Amino acid sequence: EADIYQTPRYLVIGTGKKITLECSQTMGHDKMYWYQQDPGMELHLIHYSYGVNSTEKGDLSSESTVSRIRTEHFPLTLESARPSHTSQYLCASSGPGSRYNEQFFGPGTRLTVL
Amino acid sequence: QKEVEQNSGPLSVPEGAIASLNCTYSDRGSQSFFWYRQYSGKSPELIMFIYSNGDKEDGRFTAQLNKASQYVSLLIRDSQPSDSATYLCAVQARGKLIFGQGTELSVKP
Repeated sequence: EADIYQTPRYLVIGTGKKITLECSQTMGHDKMYWYQQDPGMELHLIHYSYGVNSTEKGDLSSESTVSRIRTEHFPLTLESARPSHTSQYLCASSGPGSRYNEQFFGPGTRLTVL
Repeated sequence: QKEVEQNSGPLSVPEGAIASLNCTYSDRGSQSFFWYRQYSGKSPELIMFIYSNGDKEDGRFTAQLNKASQYVSLLIRDSQPSDSATYLCAVQARGKLIFGQGTELSVKP
C-alpha cells in the first residue's frame, strides 16, 4: 500500500475562504503531482513538482498555488475559494523505489465550496 | 484531438466473459504505458505497466502494446463483478503521465 496521505478527506467551506489541502508521502519520492477530478470525469493535472523548490503548472489552468519546501510535503492553497472550485483533488507521487516509476495516488480530498 | 483516447463506455459484460478496453495515443515518443483502475469515489491504483511491444500477462489481466499503431489495450479474462470500475489508460510523455478519460466497466452477475 502506498504511503501517501491527504488531509482533510472532506471539506465544506464558504465562498471567499482561504484553504490549504495537505499532501505528504513517506516514500522518498522526488516527484509530486496535484490532479483535479470531477465525478465521472477525467483526471486533470493542475500542478507538479520535480523536487524541492521546483513547481510547475499543469495542463489545466487553476487558481490554486503550490509549494515544495520539503521533499515529502506538497500543499495546495486556494486564496479565495469559489463554488467553481468544488471538485475532488488527488495528490500523487513517483520516484526512486517505485518499480515502474509509476505514480501512487493519495486518497483524495473532496472539496465543496458553498 | 486528445493525446490519449479511450473507447467510450460504459462497457457492460456478463460475469465470466472477457472485457476488452482500448486506448490510443498521439505522441510517438511515448515510452511507458499504464493501466489504472479507479473504483467509484476512490483514487486510481496501478494494475498493469507495459513498455515493449507485445503482450504482458498478470493473472487475469493482459496488456497489449502496438507502438506502430500507437495502440494499447487491456484484456480482463473471467470478468468478475468486483472488476466493475473505471479503467484509466496513462501514457508517459514529456516527463508526465497523460491520462485518458477512462472507460467505465460494468460486470453483470
